[in-house]
Amino acid sequence: SQQGEEDPQALSIQEGENATMNCSYKTSINNLQWYRQNSGRGLVHLILIRSNEREKHSGRLRVTLDTSKKSSSLLITASRAADTASYFCATGGGTSYGKLTFGQGTILTVHP
Amino acid sequence: DTEVTQTPKHLVMGMTNKKSLKCEQHMGHRAMYWYKQKAKKPPELMFVYSYEKLSINESVPSRFSPECPNSSLLNLHLHALQPEDSALYLCASSLLGPGTGNYGYTFGSGTRLTVV
Repeated sequence: SQQGEEDPQALSIQEGENATMNCSYKTSINNLQWYRQNSGRGLVHLILIRSNEREKHSGRLRVTLDTSKKSSSLLITASRAADTASYFCATGGGTSYGKLTFGQGTILTVHP
Repeated sequence: DTEVTQTPKHLVMGMTNKKSLKCEQHMGHRAMYWYKQKAKKPPELMFVYSYEKLSINESVPSRFSPECPNSSLLNLHLHALQPEDSALYLCASSLLGPGTGNYGYTFGSGTRLTVV
């Protein structure tokens, strides 16, 4: 079963706007990761945030983690048409050695 | 080399066929994974290999048989599949070590399998 639940399921914005996606999970985690997938091909690792971290930045990406609420958010600033993709959160660790479990995903469409 | 290479990219097979999917990485990652992804769904874990040994099997039917011949290669042998097994099969790898689980995965581009 999938641990993560993401919202919104789909997000449509204009180029230059910011995109925010949320992820909630149910059990304890060691880390939470975000991945991007273009057109049903391979996933690309974007960022990993550990359970003892609250915020992390990478380029135009900002990830927050609230372990008390079991939730995370991914913010993409100044979006581009090339950011159009599906975005998945994934939780790893806890008691599940080597097991990464994906959320349902958010489909982001950025219009030029 | 920072890639995971999967072959073939597309595969069509009959329900009585035997075929194999291949995955290769040369990043020194000692954990390798098979995921299955249906359309508009998230990837679902099938198998985990760590140090070339099977460590997790997510109750996958025996018509899927994984193999890890060495630290760089991962195979998935397919036999007597059903049409509902049609999906994108993704291979991934990651580091192992202290703080296991605290590493991002590198995914291949997948094999799109159609069972007819």
